[in-house]
Amino acid sequence: NAGVTQTPKFQVLKTGQSMTLQCAQDMNHEYMSWYRQDPGMGLRLIHYSVGAGITDQGEVPNGYNVSRSTTEDFPLRLLSAAPSQTSVYFCASSYSRGSGAQYFGPGTRLLVL
Amino acid sequence: TQLLEQSPQFLSIQEGENLTVYCNSSSVFSSLQWYRQEPGEGPVLLVTVVTGGEVKKLKRLTFQFGDARKDSSLHITAAQPGDTGLYLCAGHNAGNMLTFGGGTRLMVKP
Repeated sequence: NAGVTQTPKFQVLKTGQSMTLQCAQDMNHEYMSWYRQDPGMGLRLIHYSVGAGITDQGEVPNGYNVSRSTTEDFPLRLLSAAPSQTSVYFCASSYSRGSGAQYFGPGTRLLVL
Repeated sequence: TQLLEQSPQFLSIQEGENLTVYCNSSSVFSSLQWYRQEPGEGPVLLVTVVTGGEVKKLKRLTFQFGDARKDSSLHITAAQPGDTGLYLCAGHNAGNMLTFGGGTRLMVKP
């Protein structure tokens, strides 16, 4: 039982490049979400999904796309990377919407030059 | 936007000291969670409080949810170096989202 896994662990991009951050969970959780963490700002919600085929925007969705074709996977796509997207990205899953315990992955550290 | 403010932002204490971390908001939350995060890892849930005035204890950690469900505190008794980390509170309302505070970074020196 691996929990929530994220790849890659670290990535460097140039401005304008695109990439996909991978997230997978093996706990059969319906609810998955993506957060970014910046110094002094805690975690901010980017996008979330309440089940396969259903996604919605969080607090800071601009510049990011998501899709949820299976219960297990929830990739986050950066369409055209900008330096403001330099951050640590965490994927989380939960057995229930919002109020349930969030299980976080180890994070992806992204640097956009 | 609902905001959660945590204080202090940074705390450095000696082993054996007691400390309290605060999480405050002008909004009411249906539940509030506390997480601890170590460097290079994702946050890990410590506790969820649901009822106004609720107090939960987890070994040397005591969590309290305010009567009006707008604030919470985390008290650590006799802190140990293993308590070092970033402590995050997160509030949930009727929607699908958690709102996180900015975090309190705690360092406990031996």
